[in-house]
Amino acid sequence: DIQMTQSPSSLSASVGDRVTITCQASQDISNYLNWYQQKLGKAPRLLIYDAYNLETGVPSRFSGSRSGTHFTLTISGLQPEDFAIYHCQQYDDFPFTFGPGTKVDIK
Amino acid sequence: QVQLVESGGGVVQPGGSMRLSCAASGFNFSNYGMHWVRQAPGKGLEWVAFIRYDGSDKYYADSVKGRFTISRDNSKNTLDLQMNSLRAEDTALYYCAKVISSSWYSRGIFGFWGQGTMVTVSS
Repeated sequence: DIQMTQSPSSLSASVGDRVTITCQASQDISNYLNWYQQKLGKAPRLLIYDAYNLETGVPSRFSGSRSGTHFTLTISGLQPEDFAIYHCQQYDDFPFTFGPGTKVDIK
Repeated sequence: QVQLVESGGGVVQPGGSMRLSCAASGFNFSNYGMHWVRQAPGKGLEWVAFIRYDGSDKYYADSVKGRFTISRDNSKNTLDLQMNSLRAEDTALYYCAKVISSSWYSRGIFGFWGQGTMVTVSS
């Protein structure tokens, strides 16, 4: 199975900050990497698919990038509604696997 | 608008069975692959199973293979998960999720999620 790791596991940031979350795959997954946002008590929401593509309706302050097996989610100008847990997920091969999540909270 | 409503969760004893359902509306259900994903309390997300739009192919996580069965009824717009030989580690919130498009290429992009149904395995 493909293992996904994320760092950091949690971070504290202020409104307006630039936040970067990273996700590492245990092998090449091409661009088959998605990012989800999950707020407390809510279902996950797709933010970025195929490493780079912004889902319809997602603010442009969210962006994704890739370097080899290393993926990054960037939030440029953190907003109050962005405090949440962020999950990466690969779908290069079954079984699809998620990273352990990164919690972003208020400093 | 797209809606996915899960039902069927509750408390079950270890070794017992439970059947979850997901009622879909607001889109052409028969065109889309569907997934079950679970989340144990305070833990991360775990993919459970996938079924192709026409039910022709099914895939399972190793942790549930041989115990869980995913199925769908395109005439009723419903997705099911039959869970047998349940274990304490199956305790989780179970989500159904719709893929983002009808293309096979998008099979692993969870474009919309239901609100989940809680399954607790305990004696």
